[in-house]
Amino acid sequence: GAVVSQHPSWVICKSGTSVKIECRSLDFQATTMFWYRQFPKQSLMLMATSNEGSKATYEQGVEKDKFLINHASLTLSTLTVTSAHPEDSSFYICSAARQGFYEQYFGPGTRLTVT
Amino acid sequence: AQSVSQHNHHVILSEAASLELGCNYSYGGTVNLFWYVQYPGQHLQLLLKYFSGDPLVKGIKGFEAEFIKSKFSFNLRKPSVQWSDTAEYFCAVTLYGNNRLAFGKGNQVVVIP
Repeated sequence: GAVVSQHPSWVICKSGTSVKIECRSLDFQATTMFWYRQFPKQSLMLMATSNEGSKATYEQGVEKDKFLINHASLTLSTLTVTSAHPEDSSFYICSAARQGFYEQYFGPGTRLTVT
Repeated sequence: AQSVSQHNHHVILSEAASLELGCNYSYGGTVNLFWYVQYPGQHLQLLLKYFSGDPLVKGIKGFEAEFIKSKFSFNLRKPSVQWSDTAEYFCAVTLYGNNRLAFGKGNQVVVIP
């Protein structure tokens, strides 16, 4: 149990376009979902925390107007990278947690390449 | 701000050797501690976690970790590694009552058959 999926697994887009990444909890209800960014050879950096039905909380330095997060249901959160630029190229990973639990279950990640 | 340190980013060892990966965090207060593993091509999986109680925690696949509060450490160990333990290992910390994870930079472990 506790499976999290992401779609797409990889995406290539042109500079200036927007890209949406989906994160789904397949067999549990996730009251909280998290979005991370991972650069090559580096650790995961938390970008934002989203709770179902409310606005996401962004970490310092993360542009909320650029990285739009929606958590409209207990099984789905989306991250939209707006007006993407090459420096947004990265590996984006989501995780999900049940209400009242600290343990997070991670998705497989989405490789974004902006040309 | 939370800070998690992992040293010796690259570790290469032979099968049956013992493995110890260090993890130190930089702030006081009650913490929750985790070790995650990422096998090649796969997503992050939880190896073990510490919330409270016995500071020696046993996880999956023969791994264990010891929480030493006075040293702000949560080192991961396995007495005898296998080739299938080749992976990247991440230590992570949250403050009690807060579920925002701070990750260390990871240890890339390669086990040679």
